[in-house]
Amino acid sequence: GNSVTQMEGPVTLSEEAFLTINCTYTATGYPSLFWYVQYPGEGLQLLLKATKADDKGSNKGFEATYRKETTSFHLEKGSVQVSDSAVYFCALSNQAGTALIFGKGTTLSVSS
Amino acid sequence: DTAVSQTPKYLVTQMGNDKSIKCEQNLGHDTMYWYKQDSKKFLKIMFSYNNKELIINETVPNRFSPKSPDKAHLNLHINSLELGDSAVYFCASNTNRGTSGNTIYFGEGSWLTVV
Repeated sequence: GNSVTQMEGPVTLSEEAFLTINCTYTATGYPSLFWYVQYPGEGLQLLLKATKADDKGSNKGFEATYRKETTSFHLEKGSVQVSDSAVYFCALSNQAGTALIFGKGTTLSVSS
Repeated sequence: DTAVSQTPKYLVTQMGNDKSIKCEQNLGHDTMYWYKQDSKKFLKIMFSYNNKELIINETVPNRFSPKSPDKAHLNLHINSLELGDSAVYFCASNTNRGTSGNTIYFGEGSWLTVV
């Protein structure tokens, strides 16, 4: 079946550090891939997405590239800010688009 | 205007009670969902409706019953609440199943605490 695996958190960084959160997936067919972010006490917001191999999604300085050969969609940001502290979820949508399957989430904590 | 709105945002109730969480989307989407987020932040789909028809029904206790009066609304009824039902419940909607790249939009969540 379809599944998403994310690196375990929490990830603790200093402001302006480089961020990578690893995400790999298992899926049949050609899923779309997403990163959602959940700020403390809030709901889920779409951060970025990619719908086919080699696509790069980007938003707010975050980037992720859909790598079919390694079944990965790692999230990166060159310089994190305190305001980036949140829980980040990698997810895939099956080919029928019927639902999102989420990874377990990675908590990021950025200190000044 | 909020695209996907849920009420109530916070709900504290006693074991054994029956409660409902309401959800409405004003995006004109065909598909709506309920997700549950547990204390470890893990998100799992519970139900999905497409044009008022149930299309996903994951293994959840039958005390949980979704009801979709029209395609813009998907309410969640929970009977005989238990301590383990304490969680955040997210409603979501999607423009059209059949296209995997469509974005699923989430509500702000309903924090349910059973005491």
